Amino acid sequence: SAVISQKPSRDICQRGTSLTIQCQVDSQVTMMFWYRQQPGQSLTLIATANQGSEATYESGFVIDKFPISRPNLTFSTLTVSNMSPEDSSIYLCSARQKWNTEAFFGQGTRLTVV
Amino acid sequence: DQQVKQNSPSLSVQEGRISILNCDYTNSMFDYFLWYKKYPAEGPTFLISISSIKDKNEDGRFTVFLNKSAKHLSLHIVPSQPGDSAVYFCAAGETGANSKLTFGKGITLSVRP
Repeated sequence: SAVISQKPSRDICQRGTSLTIQCQVDSQVTMMFWYRQQPGQSLTLIATANQGSEATYESGFVIDKFPISRPNLTFSTLTVSNMSPEDSSIYLCSARQKWNTEAFFGQGTRLTVV
Repeated sequence: DQQVKQNSPSLSVQEGRISILNCDYTNSMFDYFLWYKKYPAEGPTFLISISSIKDKNEDGRFTVFLNKSAKHLSLHIVPSQPGDSAVYFCAAGETGANSKLTFGKGITLSVRP
């Protein structure tokens, strides 16, 4: 298993600003993902964070809005840019090894945009 | 188009009884399935998984059943305990180098003492 630390755990931000969420894994992992969970909804994949290359974004999500970095095999960041109230959500970091089906999650970042 | 569906938003059971949480999927390419449990203010934690080559997997009080022809799986918890009260997510994936998980909306389970 992997222990994933995510910070901040919560934040209240002004619209138009940006927030960077950090995700640290306690061991090297091949795959890292960023999800969003809006109230009453399922976990929606934003992108796969690729080590050493640009992230792979899902339909409906773009790099300009959600830039992602992954400088090594244990760390990734997600930035929510130019925030609006519609970005209020829980953002979750996830990690797994390529050969495993089981994915692990951080505790999430609860973002409120006012 | 929701590929993983958890049609019942909530379930309430008595402590000691069986909890049955259902999940349906539409994508026939999915070949493994997982259940996650989530408490408020925490991330989802992995519970149990099943490969499409099996129809049952058991781990302690948790058993997952898979019916491929019906594209249906269920999680059985027996006996249910108050600490099992949480949101349960069903997830599905397709084996591959960049496989990602598709989640259902979750079911809120309440176990009454």
